[in-house]
Amino acid sequence: RKEVEQDPGPFNVPEGATVAFNCTYSNSASQSFFWYRQDCRKEPKLLMSVYSSGNEDGRFTAQLNRASQYISLLIRDSKLSDSATYLCVVNPPYYGNNRLAFGKGNQVVVIP
Amino acid sequence: GAGVSQSPSNKVTEKGKDVELRCDPISGHTALYWYRQSLGQGLEFLIYFQGNSAPDKSGLPSDRFSAERTGGSVSTLTIQRTQQEDSAVYLCASSLRGVTDTQYFGPGTRLTVL
Repeated sequence: RKEVEQDPGPFNVPEGATVAFNCTYSNSASQSFFWYRQDCRKEPKLLMSVYSSGNEDGRFTAQLNRASQYISLLIRDSKLSDSATYLCVVNPPYYGNNRLAFGKGNQVVVIP
Repeated sequence: GAGVSQSPSNKVTEKGKDVELRCDPISGHTALYWYRQSLGQGLEFLIYFQGNSAPDKSGLPSDRFSAERTGGSVSTLTIQRTQQEDSAVYLCASSLRGVTDTQYFGPGTRLTVL
């Protein structure tokens, strides 16, 4: 089983709509969780860390569900500039402090 | 301030040649990572440097791959006797201390092996 699994999509979203997607992780003892954003042919950039209590940053909300081993990202009032691939990133305990496991990403396309 | 820089941005080489990729991390960052991203694939971890500690090389796909980090700053990734399957974007990232800190990525080197 892969460490991090994401539905690649694409998720076609009308401008102004809300889109949400999940990412599942295989190791229940994972402690650190992140969402990174990667624009086409660009490098990944941190979007937000995901905390146990959930967290919000403007139009973006991240949630962690430890019981079901998934994290989610919700984007409200989608903008054209939100079109990107959203990478789910997890730090499995067997990696120690050395590495992260990256999902293949959820591709979001915001349509005018 | 300056971000992570990588050079060259693009490299086209012939099968069997050696290539060297360079990464300049953010000043003061002790952790440095190399990743590989093939078309439509996720990021594949290659190697991790932390300060003066021995690097974690567990992600290197074969002994044709090696990396070093001199003076705790600049890093070079060397691929010997390149193969077509080595074609990918090679990304370098640095963070302040370790994986729980934000990783700042460079723009990558797009390697094409003919």
